[in-house]
Parts: sequence; structure tokens; C-alpha cells
Amino acid sequence: AQTVTQSQPEMSVQEAETVTLSCTYDTSESDYYLFWYKQPPSRQMILVIRQEAYKQQNATENRFSVNFQKAAKSFSLKISDSQLGDAAMYFCAYRSAQGGSEKLVFGKGTKLTVNP
Amino acid sequence: GAGVSQSPRYKVAKRGQDVALRCDPISGHVSLFWYQQALGQGPEFLTYFQNEAQLDKSGLPSDRFFAERPEGSVSTLKIQRTQQEDSAVYLCASSFDSGVSNQPQHFGDGTRLSIL
Repeated sequence: AQTVTQSQPEMSVQEAETVTLSCTYDTSESDYYLFWYKQPPSRQMILVIRQEAYKQQNATENRFSVNFQKAAKSFSLKISDSQLGDAAMYFCAYRSAQGGSEKLVFGKGTKLTVNP
Repeated sequence: GAGVSQSPRYKVAKRGQDVALRCDPISGHVSLFWYQQALGQGPEFLTYFQNEAQLDKSGLPSDRFFAERPEGSVSTLKIQRTQQEDSAVYLCASSFDSGVSNQPQHFGDGTRLSIL
């Protein structure tokens, strides 16, 4: 079974600075998808960024980018120019690309605090 | 609707009571998922529907948990004879087309279930 590990229970960053959240995963599959979700106190999970494993190019979405290292099974999230609204729980998630396996496997999350 | 809608937002029940949680997915979304999120943890998969067919229920923790989606739209998660360990946030998610696996899952705000 696939597992996702987020080794940083909490992180903090100064407003306008850059922070990197770590994620590693374990799988025997060669094709899969990886996601970062943000969960503010309102509880709604919001998709931040996604990466297809077959793509070598790292995904970027405005201030958010990933460092995808397939051989190392690492998928870190970099947030540039941090804003107060970025404060939330961040979850890394894995999904198999095999048919019929649609479920997301989540890590335990990293709580990000943004200091003004 | 514009997003995934879950009701009730909060539910308090006494141990041994039955509860029913509702999820109204985004209109036209084929796939629907239920996740359980314990306090301080990442969401864990419970079950998955493609239209009205329940294709994966491997995450349901016991036979007290039952989910249905009879007309391929609204889904209900039912928990019978509730126990204290059932206390958690129950998240529902939907996605557009299960045949395109990198389609993101869109989450509702969840139902926080507290068993006394």
C-alpha cells in the first residue's frame, strides 16, 4: 500500500519570505499523481498544485511550486512571497494512475504559520 | 451548485445512536468520495462511487458504516450504533470524470461528528 509522510508537523515563515514544506511517499508504481492541498480552519480542502509523475518538469502555480524528485520519492512544496492568507494546514496526497484506484492517500499534514 | 455541499455542518449524537450525513456533489460530477479526518490527522479514504455504483468501500472501518448514492447524485453516509471513536470530520469530495484521472477532487466543508 502507498504511504505519504510529512515530517514537519509545524512550520513558520515571515510574511514575504519563502518556505518549503517536505513530503515523501512510498510506492511501487511508476505512474501516479501527486497533490498539495491547503486546509484553512474552515475545513474545506483546497487544491494548491498537482503533478503527474510522468512529467519531469516541476509544476508551478503563481507563488507555489514543487520540487518533484521521482527517484527519491520526494515532492516538496515551495511557497514564495508568503502571505498571511497562506496560513493553514497543508496536506500532501498521492493517487494511483491505475484504473479503479481513485482514492487519495494523504500525509498527516504540516501546520503553516505566517508571521507578520 | 457551485461547490460540494455537506450537511449538517455539525452533528452531536449519543453513543449508540444512528446518524446520517449528506453530501451534494458538484452538478455533473461522476465520482464521489467520502473521507474521515480524525483530529490532527490527514483525511483517510472511506468509500468511492462512480455514478450510483460503489466501486470501492475498502476504507469503511466496520459494518456499522454504510454509504449510498442511489441516483448517482446526492450521497448519504450512515453510521449505525455510533461509538466514541467515530468522532471525526467527515469530508465528501467529487470529481468530474473518473476516466481522466488527473481531474482534481473538490471537497466540501465537512461534517464534524461528535459522539458523547
